[in-house]
Amino acid sequence: DQQVKQNSPSLSVQEGRISILNCDYTNSMFDYFLWYKKYPAEGPTFLISISSIKDKNEDGRFTVFLNKSAKHLSLHIVPSQPGDSAVYFCAASKNTGNQFYFGTGTSLTVIP
Amino acid sequence: GAGVSQSPSNKVTEKGKDVELRCDPISGHTALYWYRQSLGQGLEFLIYFQGNSAPDKSGLPSDRFSAERTGGSVSTLTIQRTQQEDSAVYLCASSFSGKTEQYFGPGTRLTVT
Repeated sequence: DQQVKQNSPSLSVQEGRISILNCDYTNSMFDYFLWYKKYPAEGPTFLISISSIKDKNEDGRFTVFLNKSAKHLSLHIVPSQPGDSAVYFCAASKNTGNQFYFGTGTSLTVIP
Repeated sequence: GAGVSQSPSNKVTEKGKDVELRCDPISGHTALYWYRQSLGQGLEFLIYFQGNSAPDKSGLPSDRFSAERTGGSVSTLTIQRTQQEDSAVYLCASSFSGKTEQYFGPGTRLTVT
């Protein structure tokens, strides 16, 4: 039962343009969301997070948007750079538990 | 400072053998997680340690899987009588507490032949 879904396995974007990565979740108890970036042969690295009390969090070129009514979050990267090419995972957790639930990832390719 | 380290980086074993995977978390991190990533799948939660509390083992897929964390630091994930479906990348992560971002190790790629 996949509670966090990333329906686009891959995405290609031109350098300098905006990359938008999407994530949907099914459990309304989730209250904390994170995005991770993963290069081949490395573990995921934390990018940005958002609490359910907010609808937007921004950190440099990265912005995460949360739409609780739609159970949807998105990661915007602007401007996209070739070094952003990686697999991006979204993750969610409930305030009552210890588990983080991860999506299957979206592979982003930024074309120079 | 040093990040999360895992050993071995790769392990090939025969079906039916036992394997041990090791994780050294970041010093001072009280929370430690084990995940598994099978081909084409997301990260699957296995087990969570927080300080001296009893671990959350709810993600372990069968009783062939066990983990321990000695002295609140190093953790070992043991898989007994390995099966081919156990083939995956096993990732360890640590964090300051259970609700903050996790720092991941590079993973151990396990192949069961």
